[in-house]
Amino acid sequence: EDQVTQSPEALRLQEGESSSLNCSYTVSGLRGLFWYRQDPGKGPEFLFTLYSAGEEKEKERLKATLTKKESFLHITAPKPEDSATYLCAVQAASGTYKYIFGTGTRLKVLA
Amino acid sequence: DTEVTQTPKHLVMGMTNKKSLKCEQHMGHRAMYWYKQKAKKPPELMFVYSYEKLSINESVPSRFSPECPNSSLLNLHLHALQPEDSALYLCASSQDPGMNTEAFFGQGTRLTVV
Repeated sequence: EDQVTQSPEALRLQEGESSSLNCSYTVSGLRGLFWYRQDPGKGPEFLFTLYSAGEEKEKERLKATLTKKESFLHITAPKPEDSATYLCAVQAASGTYKYIFGTGTRLKVLA
Repeated sequence: DTEVTQTPKHLVMGMTNKKSLKCEQHMGHRAMYWYKQKAKKPPELMFVYSYEKLSINESVPSRFSPECPNSSLLNLHLHALQPEDSALYLCASSQDPGMNTEAFFGQGTRLTVV
């Protein structure tokens, strides 16, 4: 069964304290891995797409990386406005059009 | 433009009411999705439309009825809902179901069933 697990469940950082969020996946052939940011009561906002092991994408203080079993979202020198829930989703090569979501990491950055 | 527009933003309905949620995108995307999200949980897939045809129904109760009138619009008709159906309902679209591309989400409709 295709599965996505994110850790930690929640993370509190001081402003400027860099860290990484983890997304582990077990799928029958990865078609794509996607990172989203979600603010409370809002829809997920697309951040990155990764397709193959070794791939990296960057945007401002965020950098996403991919291996054959997991993806990391590195946050460098975070600011309070980076506080949100970060969701990881995968599309598997099982022939369906589903985006399978992990349970997310709730990030709080303290000033 | 990567905008998916959902209306209304908030909806309160009684258990005997009939209401509809609407979703619109003008990105030329051919796959559209309905997700349900409870507090502190990830989005949970309900329906997928591919080229305006229903391709996935995740065993959703019949009190939820999706409709895709054209390639830009997606509706979710609601009837005789239960209080446990209260949630954030999210619409999303992606370029083509055969391509491994990201989905873009709307801001959601916060539904409360009383």
